[in-house]
Amino acid sequence: DQQVKQNSPSLSVQEGRISILNCDYTNSMFDYFLWYKKYPAEGPTFLISISSIKDKNEDGRFTVFLNKSAKHLSLHIVPSQPGDSAVYFCAAPPRETSGSRLTFGEGTQLTVNP
Amino acid sequence: DVKVTQSSRYLVKRTGEKVFLECVQDMDHENMFWYRQDPGLGLRLIYFSYDVKMKEKGDIPEGYSVSREKKERFSLILESASTNQTSMYLCASSLWIQNSPLHFGNGTRLTVT
Repeated sequence: DQQVKQNSPSLSVQEGRISILNCDYTNSMFDYFLWYKKYPAEGPTFLISISSIKDKNEDGRFTVFLNKSAKHLSLHIVPSQPGDSAVYFCAAPPRETSGSRLTFGEGTQLTVNP
Repeated sequence: DVKVTQSSRYLVKRTGEKVFLECVQDMDHENMFWYRQDPGLGLRLIYFSYDVKMKEKGDIPEGYSVSREKKERFSLILESASTNQTSMYLCASSLWIQNSPLHFGNGTRLTVT
């Protein structure tokens, strides 16, 4: 049962344009969402998060939008840079658990072309 | 800066061998996790631990066990390695605080032949 789903395995954009990465979830108990970025041969690193009490959170070039009614979130990167090329994972912790156990999506490989 | 260190970057083992993957974190984090990453499947949780000598099964614990004898160290054990355990294994740690971000090591690429 994949509770967090990223339906696009890959995305390719031109440098300077917007990258939009999408994530859907099925568990309505999720109330916090995170995005991680992973370069080859490195572990994932935390990028940005959003609580369900908000519908938008912004950090520099990165903005995450949450649509609770659609159970959908998206990560926008503007402007995209070649260094943003990586695999992006969305993740959520089940509310009923303590600590920070996360359920991850399948990941989307973003390629930003110069 | 949090550092999570996995003892091996690459391992090649034979079917049936007992395999130990070691992970050490230096930030006194309470929580530690083992995930595996496979193409098209994302990161799946194998086991996690909230405290020394505590362990909880994740989503795919079959064929694995763990050990946490010290707070900073979390070991993943493959009792009898099989080819379907060929994967990238990622260790992570975090504070006990709800929604605290995970800090990952660089991973161990395990190949079972």
